[in-house]
Amino acid sequence: DADVTQTPRNRITKTGKRIMLECSQTKGHDRMYWYRQDPGLGLRLIYYSFDVKDINKGEISDGYSVSRQAQAKFSLSLESAIPNQTALYFCATSDSTLNYGYTFGSGTRLTVV
Amino acid sequence: GQNIDQPTEMTATEGAIVQINCTYQTSGFNGLFWYQQHAGEAPTFLSYNVLDGLEEKGRFSSFLSRSKGYSYLLLKELQMKDSASYLCAVILRSNDYKLSFGAGTTVTVRA
Repeated sequence: DADVTQTPRNRITKTGKRIMLECSQTKGHDRMYWYRQDPGLGLRLIYYSFDVKDINKGEISDGYSVSRQAQAKFSLSLESAIPNQTALYFCATSDSTLNYGYTFGSGTRLTVV
Repeated sequence: GQNIDQPTEMTATEGAIVQINCTYQTSGFNGLFWYQQHAGEAPTFLSYNVLDGLEEKGRFSSFLSRSKGYSYLLLKELQMKDSASYLCAVILRSNDYKLSFGAGTTVTVRA
């Protein structure tokens, strides 16, 4: 099994729909992150959580919300999807030392039509 | 952003050497990573530098100069499978010790 699992891998949804992307990890890490990636813009941080009771906005949190259900689970929701949220979404985890950087999930390709 | 700069694209021939540069702000610096990302896939760890100098791992080497805010990734004996995006990522105290990513350098290896 992968260390960081994202579901679904691909999703097409309609404008205005609510959608949840899920992430679970078996690394035992406290820290989890959600990024989106668009061509030419690199990885941009949406939300991050340093432990179960900690949630922080990243640089592009508008239109998104998150839930840290357990140490191993961190889900991202789009309350009312819009076409410019079409992107590749990555979940990542790390320990507090960052000596090993981030471990990324395989990504979710989301298309909003 | 955190002003992490790297070239957008580079092209090289199979068997050749390519050097990808990365510059960053030095204030609060705590370490630098290089990741490789194939199209549509997750980034994968290549190297981590926290002290000045060169770290070598097979065909890939990474160099860091903390005082100059500069790093490079050196890819030797290029293979077609090295065609990918290479991301520079920096740990900055000012960013709450999270990774700040550059936009990535797309390397195309030609036969």
